[in-house]
Amino acid sequence: QKEVEQDPGPLSVPEGAIVSLNCTYSNSAFQYFMWYRQYSRKGPELLMYTYSSGNKEDGRFTAQVDKSSKYISLFIRDSQPSDSATYLCAMSAYSNTGKLIFGQGTTLQVKP
Amino acid sequence: SAVISQKPSRDICQRGTSLTIQCQVDSQVTMMFWYRQQPGQSLTLIATANQGSEATYESGFVIDKFPISRPNLTFSTLTVSNLSPEDSSIYLCSASGQANEKLFFGSGTQLSVL
Repeated sequence: QKEVEQDPGPLSVPEGAIVSLNCTYSNSAFQYFMWYRQYSRKGPELLMYTYSSGNKEDGRFTAQVDKSSKYISLFIRDSQPSDSATYLCAMSAYSNTGKLIFGQGTTLQVKP
Repeated sequence: SAVISQKPSRDICQRGTSLTIQCQVDSQVTMMFWYRQQPGQSLTLIATANQGSEATYESGFVIDKFPISRPNLTFSTLTVSNLSPEDSSIYLCSASGQANEKLFFGSGTQLSVL
């Protein structure tokens, strides 16, 4: 069993839809949770960074962490064609570490 | 956030040869790392590049296959040695700044081995 599970999709939605992306994990020691966006032939770009449980909002993006269920989510409101990319969840037990455990990534396509 | 430049962006290599990837960060960073992204799989940490000393390798990765250098706080190289088709992958350099927990990535090197 992988430490982090993420449905690879692809997920296709119409423009303006609310998108929900999710990851589950097995290691209860994880405390730091991230979402990265990766466009084709580009490196991952950090979107959201959260510590422990709770919600964090940044513009159209909301990250949720439920440590009791070992489940994290990223919501995208008013999705745009420019949001079409692969979204990677990542997590770590420690801060100041480059050792992140990544999900496989979910490919999202937002159709105009 | 730090800007991380990698080169080459892509290369096609013959079996048995080696490829060296360069990573340059636009500011001094505490930590630099190398990841591999195989097709359809998660990003996997290869090693931590330590300035002035030997890199720290993750389980399943060895120095003979992936020698790494980090001569200063802004530059690192990863060599993928004795290439085989199984090494075809994207290799990514990443870094985090001083007292900064967030990890940033370069644009990656797409390696294809024939």
